[in-house]
Amino acid sequence: DTEVTQTPKHLVMGMTNKKSLKCEQHMGHRAMYWYKQKAKKPPELMFVYSYEKLSINESVPSRFSPECPNSSLLNLHLHALQPEDSALYLCASSMILRDSIHYEQYFGPGTRLTVT
Amino acid sequence: AQRVTQPEKLLSVFKGAPVELKCNYSYSGSPELFWYVQYSRQRLQLLLRHISRESIKGFTADLNKGETSFHLKKPFAQEEDSAMYYCALGSNYQLIWGAGTKLIIKP
Repeated sequence: DTEVTQTPKHLVMGMTNKKSLKCEQHMGHRAMYWYKQKAKKPPELMFVYSYEKLSINESVPSRFSPECPNSSLLNLHLHALQPEDSALYLCASSMILRDSIHYEQYFGPGTRLTVT
Repeated sequence: AQRVTQPEKLLSVFKGAPVELKCNYSYSGSPELFWYVQYSRQRLQLLLRHISRESIKGFTADLNKGETSFHLKKPFAQEEDSAMYYCALGSNYQLIWGAGTKLIIKP
């Protein structure tokens, strides 16, 4: 399996809801990433996990809470979001070899999130 | 500071014409550079990496350290090349992205 999968494809949530995004890969990659992408803009890095530990948090608001329960799964828990958080949320993964992260990242199709 | 610059937001060329998408970078050290492509309604995917010096879908990119550039080229554009193209630089365990160039191939 050489793909990164993400569920759900689309999500509409109110500002008081709690929801989660899920990402899965079975390529044996030990680095996983969450990105936020607005229309016609490059991805903005949110979080990086390496060996299931959070290694980079790009000053993301606490209403976004990542979780990496095992080496294949990555979740993003959402709570009390704002309308400006509406975007495409991308998950990606990459290899780590000899403790060095490879920059070639494999992306999932994304979750289109709308906050009402 | 590390930075990637793609000076053209939009590039429109006719089918069969040559294409060059520009990318300049700022980095102290040996850069690792990539081109990613995002076709309409498809996932972001790696197109080229400078290390491998390969040609994918007819595209090539050469790293020019003197000019700090990594321009993407194709001699004869095809309609299916229409997409958003991002140049990216590997640094500090993450990718630094250019703003992207939307390529439109006119029939």
